Amino acid sequence: GAVVSQHPSWVICKSGTSVKIECRSLDFQATTMFWYRQFPKQSLMLMATSNEGSKATYEQGVEKDKFLINHASLTLSTLTVTSAHPEDSSFYICSAESGRGNEQYFGPGTRLTVT
Amino acid sequence: GQNIDQPTEMTATEGAIVQINCTYQTSGFNGLFWYQQHAGEAPTFLSYNVLDGLEEKGRFSSFLSRSKGYSYLLLKELQMKDSASYLCAVEGDYKLSFGAGTTVTVRA
Repeated sequence: GAVVSQHPSWVICKSGTSVKIECRSLDFQATTMFWYRQFPKQSLMLMATSNEGSKATYEQGVEKDKFLINHASLTLSTLTVTSAHPEDSSFYICSAESGRGNEQYFGPGTRLTVT
Repeated sequence: GQNIDQPTEMTATEGAIVQINCTYQTSGFNGLFWYQQHAGEAPTFLSYNVLDGLEEKGRFSSFLSRSKGYSYLLLKELQMKDSASYLCAVEGDYKLSFGAGTTVTVRA
């Protein structure tokens, strides 16, 4: 139980284009989903917290107009990186919280490379 | 603000014991997690401490002292597959703040 999937697992895109990453909780309903970014040999940095049906809460320094988050249902959240630049190349990881306890279940991550 | 410190790297021999320390100073505290992360993969849950004391789960144990802002993860009977990064994460203000991770290398 408590499986979270992400799609795609890796993506290469050209600078200036937009990329959408999906995060799904497969066997539970996620009241809250989190989006993290991890640069090589660094820890996970929280980008934003999203609750179903409401606007995401972004961490300081994260541009909400660049990283669009949509939490349309209790099992799906999407992160769209708009006008991607090479410095956006990173490992993006989502996690989901079921609300029955405070453990977060992590997706397998999406490696984004912007050329 | 959140300040979570853990050593950058540790090396140990197969079959040995390694202790990874984590100290934290955070604006809120609801509990402390330890995660294991292999390169290029997402973190996997190892342990959760909310009360002071030791939590044992097989070869892995985790200790918490809230008054000292200190935790450690103890890995016993090390195996080669335990080579990974170990992340200390503090839960507070409805979110997790991660330390930079400790890369453990297990040698034969």
